[in-house]
Amino acid sequence: DGGITQSPKYLFRKEGQNVTLSCEQNLNHDAMYWYRQDPGQGLRLIYYSQIVNDFQKGDIAEGYSVSREKKESFPLTVTSAQKNPTAFYLCASKGQGHGYTFGSGTRLTVV
Amino acid sequence: GDSVTQMEGPVTLSEEAFLTINCTYTATGYPSLFWYVQYPGEGLQLLLKATKADDKGSNKGFEATYRKETTSFHLEKGSVQVSDSAVYFCALIRNQAGTALIFGKGTTLSVSS
Repeated sequence: DGGITQSPKYLFRKEGQNVTLSCEQNLNHDAMYWYRQDPGQGLRLIYYSQIVNDFQKGDIAEGYSVSREKKESFPLTVTSAQKNPTAFYLCASKGQGHGYTFGSGTRLTVV
Repeated sequence: GDSVTQMEGPVTLSEEAFLTINCTYTATGYPSLFWYVQYPGEGLQLLLKATKADDKGSNKGFEATYRKETTSFHLEKGSVQVSDSAVYFCALIRNQAGTALIFGKGTTLSVSS
């Protein structure tokens, strides 16, 4: 079955460390997105990519980085510059004429 | 810029009660409008959508009508069930290339038996 997979489901990071969240889709979708979810704040857009080797900053890109070397993959790195990284991270993809498909999320906690 | 405003929760109802969750938007042009649902510990699932004025989206007993004159897309259900307990997000997207979904802050619904 086609879908979008995020891993790991839970991730713990020490202060000052970079961590990378994985997002893989086998839907042949061109566009992929990363959102951050905090209680009471809804979903905020971090980065998005409309096509391989191209991506744009969203509303809260500071402290994050992404790459899009393959159509199927859109990893998100949370860098040490992100001062408050504890949150629930959601990846999504969208194909031409199709709706969005969301992954099941990664919960990142700073310890 | 574009934005979505939802009524604040939590909303607490008894089973079989009527549900309304208000959603209004601000956008350039004529966006497409969506309701997504998130069950505990999971990602988002599309509940319903409407792509033009006066369209009514419906699914699983939920309905919402795209009202251009009031820039609203309120979610309704005539008789809620305990299994409807979740967080509901209203969202919009401008109908042009290179844009992303913009979400409201979400409304938590709790239904008790």
